[in-house]
Amino acid sequence: GAVVSQHPSRVICKSGTSVKIECRSLDFQATTMFWYRQFPKQSLMLMATSNEGSKATYEQGVEKDKFLINHASLTLSTLTVTSAHPEDSSFYICSARDKPGGAGDTQYFGPGTRLTVL
Amino acid sequence: AQKITQTQPGMFVQEKEAVTLDCTYDTSDPSYGLFWYKQPSSGEMIFLIYQGSYDQQNATEGRYSLNFQKARKSANLVISASQLGDSAMYFCAMRAFYSGNTPLVFGKGTRLSVIA
Repeated sequence: GAVVSQHPSRVICKSGTSVKIECRSLDFQATTMFWYRQFPKQSLMLMATSNEGSKATYEQGVEKDKFLINHASLTLSTLTVTSAHPEDSSFYICSARDKPGGAGDTQYFGPGTRLTVL
Repeated sequence: AQKITQTQPGMFVQEKEAVTLDCTYDTSDPSYGLFWYKQPSSGEMIFLIYQGSYDQQNATEGRYSLNFQKARKSANLVISASQLGDSAMYFCAMRAFYSGNTPLVFGKGTRLSVIA
């Protein structure tokens, strides 16, 4: 299957700093990437949908200015958590689709990034 | 809007036995897909099986099968011959196909523990 990578896998930062998470599709072109957030023992909650070359679409309740998403190329999307605070500590997972949305197409997931804000 | 309900927070199964993980869904869209993912403690999401709303037969992938009952809006995952490595969180998810880039919507998950 297709491979999606995320970097870093784990990051610890001080409160007030910004953290950038990269998501790459390694062997396919991803027209659409999704960013999810997962708190401990909870489900994946969609944060935003990112289309290459256009602005991301954020889910209700997700602050656009806090979670900056850039999908500059067909293989790379970045999520920047700006001025991170302890409540932003979470597991962030990106996902990519290699087709424009046809029935049955698979959404491939990255390995996730565990963010801890002190 | 789509909604996925997984009513079993945790399940135990004896090694080599079969286990069924429940999933019900709600959508007004006539065309949709149902997915199951496994998430081990490492956090990665592993795709297991897919069922399309118009598929006539239940999907099967090795030891995984999906018991799709469209009228009941249920899509239960059946794991046969459980193995210790099957211990993980299992998420049911769905996606509507009315437009191209709808995201997967996940249920709350079921934690499966396989006992030796």
